[in-house]
Amino acid sequence: QLQLQESGPGLVKPSETLSLTCTVSGGSISSTNYYWGWIRQPPGKGLEYIGTIYYSGSTYYNPSLKSRVTISVDTSKNQFSLKLSSVTAADTAVYYCARRTTVTHPWFDPWGQGTLVTVSS
Amino acid sequence: SYVLTQPPSVSVAPGKTARITCGGNNIGSKSVHWYQQKPGQAPVLVIYYDSDRPSGIPERFSGSNSGNTATLTISRVEAGDEADYYCQVWDSSSDPPVVFGGGTKLTVL
Repeated sequence: QLQLQESGPGLVKPSETLSLTCTVSGGSISSTNYYWGWIRQPPGKGLEYIGTIYYSGSTYYNPSLKSRVTISVDTSKNQFSLKLSSVTAADTAVYYCARRTTVTHPWFDPWGQGTLVTVSS
Repeated sequence: SYVLTQPPSVSVAPGKTARITCGGNNIGSKSVHWYQQKPGQAPVLVIYYDSDRPSGIPERFSGSNSGNTATLTISRVEAGDEADYYCQVWDSSSDPPVVFGGGTKLTVL
């Protein structure tokens, strides 16, 4: 059964870079049938799509975050990563990684358990 | 950009049927997916392609989609169904193309 697990610092200072890694187990990140994505959820709020990456390295970023976001993949480690630069308190959220289907109308399944990142000095 | 509108809350008694709506312009022409998020947990896919259930999801969960409204129906509601529910579509004319509804809190009375 495929599982995803986020890891990274839970506290980041304002103006610094948030860095998270998602480790995929029980399946290969190099599958041609899936993309790999990041979604975040501010405390008490809804879901916000950050972006996705394909095993080949092809990426998509949400325009609202594009100038600050980098998603990368390491197929040798079966991991993909998120970097978000110049963070502010507004970036405080639970960050989820998830697998996204490649079909015309894709969905996300499964999701990692999520990791809370707080931006504070 | 495409907007999905969900009621903030829905309440239902145990054993009854809960219906959670997701409104969008001509949403019937799109495929709608639904996620269940229990407190402190990650979202879980409960319906994809409007009405298909992933393995392990009870038959009590069903979905429909027509016109400007998609509906998630939960029959014989149990206390364990209390959660936030989010609808999601892919709208290729929007940027980002992944669109989530604002979520609906289902309360089991």
